[in-house]
Amino acid sequence: KNEVEQSPQNLTAQEGEFITINCSYSVGISALHWLQQHPGGGIVSLFMLSSGKKKHGRLIATINIQEKHSSLHITASHPRDSAVYICAVFLRGEAQFYFGTGTSLTVIP
Amino acid sequence: KAGVTQTPRYLIKTRGQQVTLSCSPISGHRSVSWYQQTPGQGLQFLFEYFSETQRNKGNFPGRFSGRQFSNSRSEMNVSTLELGDSALYLCASSFSPKAGAPYNEQFFGPGTRLTVL
Repeated sequence: KNEVEQSPQNLTAQEGEFITINCSYSVGISALHWLQQHPGGGIVSLFMLSSGKKKHGRLIATINIQEKHSSLHITASHPRDSAVYICAVFLRGEAQFYFGTGTSLTVIP
Repeated sequence: KAGVTQTPRYLIKTRGQQVTLSCSPISGHRSVSWYQQTPGQGLQFLFEYFSETQRNKGNFPGRFSGRQFSNSRSEMNVSTLELGDSALYLCASSFSPKAGAPYNEQFFGPGTRLTVL
């Protein structure tokens, strides 16, 4: 079963474009993580959300609990944003993370 | 503060062998979680340790085990290795103030890439 669905799977953008990555989940959650993984494997936590909206620099994450949906936006994209972006949800009652399959983003100069 | 460290970074083993991977969490973090990442299955939760006790476990066979020491360092062990165990193994630590706290932000290590031949 897929508790977490991400879209799109692959995304290519020109430098400077506004990017949106979507994450939908099927059950109640305690929290949602947006993660960034660069080639080589290391994972960085970008945001932890349980409601509303958060912003760090050019990155914005929103979550709509009623619609079971979250989005990650990147404004003024840059080639260094090229990475895989992964949505992870902490399911209420299960005490573990479930991960989306990731969105591979390539930003072309 | 130093980040999460994992050793070794790369490992090559043959089928049937066993392997032990190590994870040192961020100082002050008492929770350590382990994850497996493969191209086919993506990231999957293995288990979580808190104060030397396994608190949560994912859906993996008993060949996968772990432990946590009093200094919060953790090891995971895979016995009787299979080709399908080839993966990137990631650990993550979090500041979990008490057992039963439902969720805390996780900080990931660089991973150990295991290849089983």
